[in-house]
Amino acid sequence: DAKTTQPNSMESNEEEPVHLPCNHSTISGTDYIHWYRQLPSQGPEYVIHGLTSNVNNRMASLAIAEDRKSSTLILHRATLRDAAVYYCILRDVSGWGGSEKLVFGKGTKLTVNP
Amino acid sequence: DVKVTQSSRYLVKRTGEKVFLECVQDMDHENMFWYRQDPGLGLRLIYFSYDVKMKEKGDIPEGYSVSREKKERFSLILESASTNQTSMYLCASSPAGTGRNEQYFGPGTRLTVT
Repeated sequence: DAKTTQPNSMESNEEEPVHLPCNHSTISGTDYIHWYRQLPSQGPEYVIHGLTSNVNNRMASLAIAEDRKSSTLILHRATLRDAAVYYCILRDVSGWGGSEKLVFGKGTKLTVNP
Repeated sequence: DVKVTQSSRYLVKRTGEKVFLECVQDMDHENMFWYRQDPGLGLRLIYFSYDVKMKEKGDIPEGYSVSREKKERFSLILESASTNQTSMYLCASSPAGTGRNEQYFGPGTRLTVT
């Protein structure tokens, strides 16, 4: 599986935008970029995913670099409820079976200050 | 809403006991997964199943077995619990696909083996 690199931790203030970076310099053409987050004492939850184009949903936006070697998860207005560990994960869709797995790294712990 | 439920939030067992962790999903998903999460090691895949009675080993299957007799239920079995199996266990499910589909996680079972 291609690897991702994320900062260990980031801080933000409530109601400000947050940009969470992820580097994936060895990404292949068939890798989708997925983001999950894990709130304290809960299981991970899906946030967003994309392949080449930027993506928006009700939770966040995903900005993907033109060369796809990096991406940024954008929370437009952080709330205290967004404090969590955010995981950037690459999923290869070219195969079968193995592509169903998620390989979690250590993620970025986001602290949101009131 | 997709719901993944796990039989217990907290469980305490003795060394050598046989332990069953149950997971049920209500969205008719083909794929189901068992992960464990440990501080400093992140989430690691133990086993997954892509259909009834089908299973595949994940990254750390040793000491575990699984059972999937019905589509909605996936059980993780510790044949003889050991202290190094003290961990948070997370179940997840997803529709069949080629890696695009998100996984839905349960709340987790914190297992302590004494």
